[in-house]
Amino acid sequence: AQSVTQLDSQVPVFEEAPVELRCNYSSSVSVYLFWYVQYPNQGLQLLLKYLSGSTLVESINGFEAEFNKSQTSFHLRKPSVHISDTAEYFCAVTAGGQLTFGSGTQLTVLP
Amino acid sequence: GAGVSQSPSNKVTEKGKDVELRCDPISGHTALYWYRQSLGQGLEFLIYFQGNSAPDKSGLPSDRFSAERTGGSVSTLTIQRTQQEDSAVYLCASSLGQQAQPQHFGDGTRLSIL
Repeated sequence: AQSVTQLDSQVPVFEEAPVELRCNYSSSVSVYLFWYVQYPNQGLQLLLKYLSGSTLVESINGFEAEFNKSQTSFHLRKPSVHISDTAEYFCAVTAGGQLTFGSGTQLTVLP
Repeated sequence: GAGVSQSPSNKVTEKGKDVELRCDPISGHTALYWYRQSLGQGLEFLIYFQGNSAPDKSGLPSDRFSAERTGGSVSTLTIQRTQQEDSAVYLCASSLGQQAQPQHFGDGTRLSIL
């Protein structure tokens, strides 16, 4: 079985500031890792994923996440956030089949 | 192309009634998932269908919950004798079914039990 911990439930940050959303996981087998974003009243959208290969993965809108096996982490970062990044972010892990989600981090970008 | 479609988008019903929630996955996706999202509870896995295999029902919270998938496409989640604690957003997702393929989510059905 696997589990995911998102250490921060709320992260307020000013526009153009950097941000890091933390995610740690536990699993007894190799896993695949994902970040999903949920805008208000919408379903989840895939932001980025780590399957294998390079431990640094990037999304098209400037987010990146680094898989750190020794620390069992997959933190999400962005060097400069925009108002439009305000949303809830979910880290998820799977060993195949169902996803196990973290409890989510609400990112609020302030003007 | 069309994404995952869920209906209705909102459902309000009285305690004790049965409800059916529908999910139309992306065409060609063999895997289909149901999740429940409750305020303060995060996302909870309910059930997973993969092709013609027996579904993984390990996340269903009680025997009042059931789901079926007809013809390997559309799925219906049924909740019998609804209770107030069933109030939540029910999300459906589909994927190509191969290991580690990302899941594509619908916008969910917001269920409110009065």
